[in-house]
Amino acid sequence: GNSVTQMEGPVTLSEEAFLTINCTYTATGYPSLFWYVQYPGEGLQLLLKATKADDKGSNKGFEATYRKETTSFHLEKGSVQVSDSAVYFCALSDWGAQKLVFGQGTRLTINP
Amino acid sequence: DGGITQSPKYLFRKEGQNVTLSCEQNLNHDAMYWYRQDPGQGLRLIYYSQIVNDFQKGDIAEGYSVSREKKESFPLTVTSAQKNPTAFYLCASSIGDGRDTGELFFGEGSRLTVL
Repeated sequence: GNSVTQMEGPVTLSEEAFLTINCTYTATGYPSLFWYVQYPGEGLQLLLKATKADDKGSNKGFEATYRKETTSFHLEKGSVQVSDSAVYFCALSDWGAQKLVFGQGTRLTINP
Repeated sequence: DGGITQSPKYLFRKEGQNVTLSCEQNLNHDAMYWYRQDPGQGLRLIYYSQIVNDFQKGDIAEGYSVSREKKESFPLTVTSAQKNPTAFYLCASSIGDGRDTGELFFGEGSRLTVL
């Protein structure tokens, strides 16, 4: 079945550091890919998405490129802020089964 | 403001008791979902519903039940048959009706603790 694997956390960085959170997937067909973010005490919200190979999703300074050849969708940000501290989830659409499949989440902490 | 409201935010239950978590949405979405979140395991799908009066089991439906009598409401009952119910439960919705883009809208969650 379809699955998503994220780099294990927690990840701790200093403010203004460069961020990469790795995400790889296994899927049949051509899924859409997503990054969701969960701030402390809240539900998840969509951060960015890409619907086909080579698409780049971007939002709030974060970017991720849909790489079909490496089955990856790594999240990057050039200069993180304390307010970026959250849990980040990579996900793919399994619309054959009408649901999203989530990775295990990566907790990110940014220190001032 | 449109959104998803979950209640209660925190709930304590004794072993052997059933408990029902509420989820209401005013986004006029057709599809609704229940996920369970455990540390280090991401989100796992419990049940989902694409339309009123219809729902399907997700990956971990055992010990849970749902109903979808109204478009706006999708309550989840955690029964005494659920062996490890302590978790954070998230309700979500999406447009549905074949128009989904993959974006789910989440509530703020309900944390259930079994004493």
